Amino acid sequence: DTGVSQDPRHKITKRGQNVTFRCDPISEHNRLYWYRQTLGQGPEFLTYFQNEAQLEKSRLLSDRFSAERPKGSFSTLEIQRTEQGDSAMYLCASSDRGRATYGYTFGSGTRLTVV
Amino acid sequence: KQEVTQIPAALSVPEGENLVLNCSFTDSAIYNLQWFRQDPGKGLTSLLLIQSSQREQTSGRLNASLDKSSGRSTLYIAASQPGDSATYLCAVDTGANSKLTFGKGITLSVRP
Repeated sequence: DTGVSQDPRHKITKRGQNVTFRCDPISEHNRLYWYRQTLGQGPEFLTYFQNEAQLEKSRLLSDRFSAERPKGSFSTLEIQRTEQGDSAMYLCASSDRGRATYGYTFGSGTRLTVV
Repeated sequence: KQEVTQIPAALSVPEGENLVLNCSFTDSAIYNLQWFRQDPGKGLTSLLLIQSSQREQTSGRLNASLDKSSGRSTLYIAASQPGDSATYLCAVDTGANSKLTFGKGITLSVRP
């Protein structure tokens, strides 16, 4: 396992279309996180899974956003009826119970552009 | 609510210079603090993690310190190189709800 994988790397979509992103965490990590980063800003927390349970969602995650982690392994983030304001880098991270020592590992991100 | 500040937003230095990047946070009850590097259009690469009980961590030319009581961390880069040019982000884990709070980052440019 070489780290956290995200797919696709880039996505250009028309406003109003639905998009789905995938994240494959480090296999032994039971915790998975989604963050969103806009230009010139630090990443902002969106949601967090422990195994398959979604334990927290940010207020940034509107009703158009949904995230799943069906078997406690990979996760998907879907955005319905995309808006131009959704354009951002979507980052996935994972950690295990040893995060006090090892912290979080981030993927390379998915860059979304809504035109 | 935890807030993380990194000032200045951008920094340009000549190659070979030693430099310090600053990070401040408002709530000293942290679990750990992590420094990341981000190249343009890329994801985050972890540089150093300092646990709440630690004062500093070192990796190669990088040294990170933590002063919880004053709400500050510094990332020291020795003998800077053009390859160090990137955005450096500081992130605090407060332990609650297992999420990181990030600063906006410092964009470093090292001139040859």
